[in-house]
Amino acid sequence: GAGVSQTPSNKVTEKGKYVELRCDPISGHTALYWYRQSLGQGPEFLIYFQGTGAADDSGLPNDRFFAVRPEGSVSTLKIQRTERGDSAVYLCASSLRGGQGYTFGSGTRLTVV
Amino acid sequence: AQSVAQPEDQVKVAEGNPLTVKCTYSVSGNPYLFWYVQYPNRGLQFLLKYITGDNLVKGSYGFEAEFNKSQTSFHLKKPSALVSDSALYFCAVRDDTGGFKTIFGAGTRLFVKA
Repeated sequence: GAGVSQTPSNKVTEKGKYVELRCDPISGHTALYWYRQSLGQGPEFLIYFQGTGAADDSGLPNDRFFAVRPEGSVSTLKIQRTERGDSAVYLCASSLRGGQGYTFGSGTRLTVV
Repeated sequence: AQSVAQPEDQVKVAEGNPLTVKCTYSVSGNPYLFWYVQYPNRGLQFLLKYITGDNLVKGSYGFEAEFNKSQTSFHLKKPSALVSDSALYFCAVRDDTGGFKTIFGAGTRLFVKA
């Protein structure tokens, strides 16, 4: 596609529920990144994929967070047993290869109530 | 471990005046440095990057940034600010030791007054 597409744009969920956030990167971009951004802060790294594999998942805050990219294109960020502290904007970005400037999606605003 | 600092929460300049948004960094190896801009209700946009080569890097919308290794800085500059430059600016860094984790600063909000 022309840009990085993230769905849904907004998600409100109840504490304890499971959520999935989807990212569709630019076609041909092998590198894909997930970040989250809380109000008034810069993006915080979560995970980096090169192709299908998670090359660096050191930013995932705990084992409630998991991400997949099974075919090397679309990625899904999965959050189990959501907590109010998970509320943030979740950003996806892609680049032609690792280390280059990213193209970001518009993000998914997650609100846990 | 890498880190990046943007010492100013906000910068205010008059339209037509030069602007500088400051960034300092810390990395283990050599730095790869980036600037991104976030306009209201829009996603983060890549402005420019320094990988190697000339210390003065030119990017989108007339912005440039100067890499200074001795001062570990990568300040964003523009000779003549526009009201439309008002936005949130993020500096980002990663090192060349093999990882691709890019760390972002907390952001600097730029206000350009007409």
